[in-house]
Amino acid sequence: GNSVTQMEGPVTLSEEAFLTINCTYTATGYPSLFWYVQYPGEGLQLLLKATKADDKGSNKGFEATYRKETTSFHLEKGSVQVSDSAVYFCALLSSGSARQLTFGSGTQLTVLP
Amino acid sequence: SQTIHQWPATLVQPVGSPLSLECTVEGTSNPNLYWYRQAAGRGLQLLFYSVGIGQISSEVPQNLSASRPQDRQFILSSKKLLLSDSGFYLCAWSLGGSSYEQYFGPGTRLTVT
Repeated sequence: GNSVTQMEGPVTLSEEAFLTINCTYTATGYPSLFWYVQYPGEGLQLLLKATKADDKGSNKGFEATYRKETTSFHLEKGSVQVSDSAVYFCALLSSGSARQLTFGSGTQLTVLP
Repeated sequence: SQTIHQWPATLVQPVGSPLSLECTVEGTSNPNLYWYRQAAGRGLQLLFYSVGIGQISSEVPQNLSASRPQDRQFILSSKKLLLSDSGFYLCAWSLGGSSYEQYFGPGTRLTVT
């Protein structure tokens, strides 16, 4: 079956530090990959996506590249801000008829001023 | 543009009481609809999904049920709540055509006492 593995948190960084959150996946076929962000007490927001190998998704300074050879989709940002503090979820969308999202367990990020 | 609503935002219910959570999508027709549960400090678990009126698929055996009485309305119910039903319930929608990313509502925080 499909699965997503994220690096365990929590991750604590100082403002302007470089961020990497690792994500690897197991899936049959050619899944689409996503990063979602959840701010405290809120629902999930789509942060970025990639639908095929070597695609780079980007949004709000965050980037992730779909690496089929390493089955990875690591999230990066060059300079984090306090407002980036949230939980980040990596997810894959199966290519089957159900089109169900499979989520990683989430990584809590705290950015200190 | 499309919007998704959930209510209530928070709910405290005693064990053994019934439950009804509602999700409504605006600005699109015939969306795929999803119910997820997020336990404290954990990832998301898909509970139900629907690709059309009256079409419900259940992912895990449980104390809950779902219904889709109208095209853009998705309801999560229980006849008798258990303590283990506590959590953050998220509704999501996606298009049924070529674009499959899911968009989430603001969530309902359910506490069973």
